[in-house]
Amino acid sequence: AQSVTQPDIHITVSEGASLELRCNYSYGATPYLFWYVQSPGQGLQLLLKYFSGDTLVQGIKGFEAEFKRSQSSFNLRKPSVHWSDAAEYFCAVGDTNFGNEKLTFGTGTRLTIIP
Amino acid sequence: DGGITQSPKYLFRKEGQNVTLSCEQNLNHDAMYWYRQDPGQGLRLIYYSQIVNDFQKGDIAEGYSVSREKKESFPLTVTSAQKNPTAFYLCASSTRGRPQHFGDGTRLSIL
Repeated sequence: AQSVTQPDIHITVSEGASLELRCNYSYGATPYLFWYVQSPGQGLQLLLKYFSGDTLVQGIKGFEAEFKRSQSSFNLRKPSVHWSDAAEYFCAVGDTNFGNEKLTFGTGTRLTIIP
Repeated sequence: DGGITQSPKYLFRKEGQNVTLSCEQNLNHDAMYWYRQDPGQGLRLIYYSQIVNDFQKGDIAEGYSVSREKKESFPLTVTSAQKNPTAFYLCASSTRGRPQHFGDGTRLSIL
């Protein structure tokens, strides 16, 4: 069965500093990979996705992520965070046999931005 | 604008009562999903439907029921058999090859 691990429950970063959120997955083949962001009391918004091709993917709001097959990782990065980036971030893996119909989510990383 | 509408935003349930959460989409998506979110546990799949009049259980279907009579609608009923229903419920939809798109959620609490 597929699984996702986000090892950092909570991260605090200064505004303007760089950010890296970790995501490790377990899946037998090349998976579909996603990063979503959630503001308090809201739904999830897609930041970026990896289906195939270039392993460095660009997303919205200046985020990027790199798929590393050898490390089973899909870490999310941003070179300079803004106060509005404070939110909860979820990594998810999709079963390629089902397209994206069956997603498994990590437990999330809460990001706090300090001035 | 197209999107997913979940209602109500807040819902309260008495012990032993069934409640129904609404999810409507105007994105013309074929597939729809219900997730439960608890603090520190991420999202867990309750039910999903790939076409009208068909749906499958997810990882935590016990105590829940769904219907899919129309492409646009996928209501979730939380039955009295669900012993711990307090949670944030998220509905999503997708079409083949595209990422899931989420609604803004319904927060269910027990009185």
